[in-house]
Amino acid sequence: DQQVKQNSPSLSVQEGRISILNCDYTNSMFDYFLWYKKYPAEGPTFLISISSIKDKNEDGRFTVFLNKSAKHLSLHIVPSQPGDSAVYFCAVLNNNAGNMLTFGGGTRLMVKP
Amino acid sequence: NAGVTQTPKFRVLKTGQSMTLLCAQDMNHEYMYWYRQDPGMGLRLIHYSVGEGTTAKGEVPDGYNVSRLKKQNFLLGLESAAPSQTSVYFCASSPGAPSYNEQFFGPGTRLTVL
Repeated sequence: DQQVKQNSPSLSVQEGRISILNCDYTNSMFDYFLWYKKYPAEGPTFLISISSIKDKNEDGRFTVFLNKSAKHLSLHIVPSQPGDSAVYFCAVLNNNAGNMLTFGGGTRLMVKP
Repeated sequence: NAGVTQTPKFRVLKTGQSMTLLCAQDMNHEYMYWYRQDPGMGLRLIHYSVGEGTTAKGEVPDGYNVSRLKKQNFLLGLESAAPSQTSVYFCASSPGAPSYNEQFFGPGTRLTVL
């Protein structure tokens, strides 16, 4: 049973518009929530994170929202740029287990010029 | 500062063959991890290590062994490769401090088992 789910395998957005990527999780005991970005033939790179005690974290064009009651995480990218085209993975961290990350299946974002 | 490096980048094996994937990090990180990525499955943790000389099982450890003899290296071994182990393998490292949760990933090793 997947603990972290990204229900949209792909998303297409026009340049300059908002991209919203969603993630659902099952365990309310997770400590941190992270987003990673992955380009083809490269390893994932860290994008942004949020602690379980917060509901919003912003870094430039990227904002992550956490809704604990709904066990839902979202990443907003505003404005979207063609260079944002990549696969985005959400991940949850369990501090009690070697800082293990559990990843969702990923969403491929395509930003059209 | 090379970060996390992985050797080799590509490999093709026949069923039953063995091989070792090498991960090296130059950031003096305590924690190291091995993941596999399969289409639609995200990254799944195989094994991890919280320090030199320690290893622990992750989500999908069967068919793999690991060793952490030196702090900067984490080896992943396949003793008898199977087609189900065809995947892209990523190594990652982390400082391991309680307040620092980011993991740094290598570029990956694409393994095909025929």
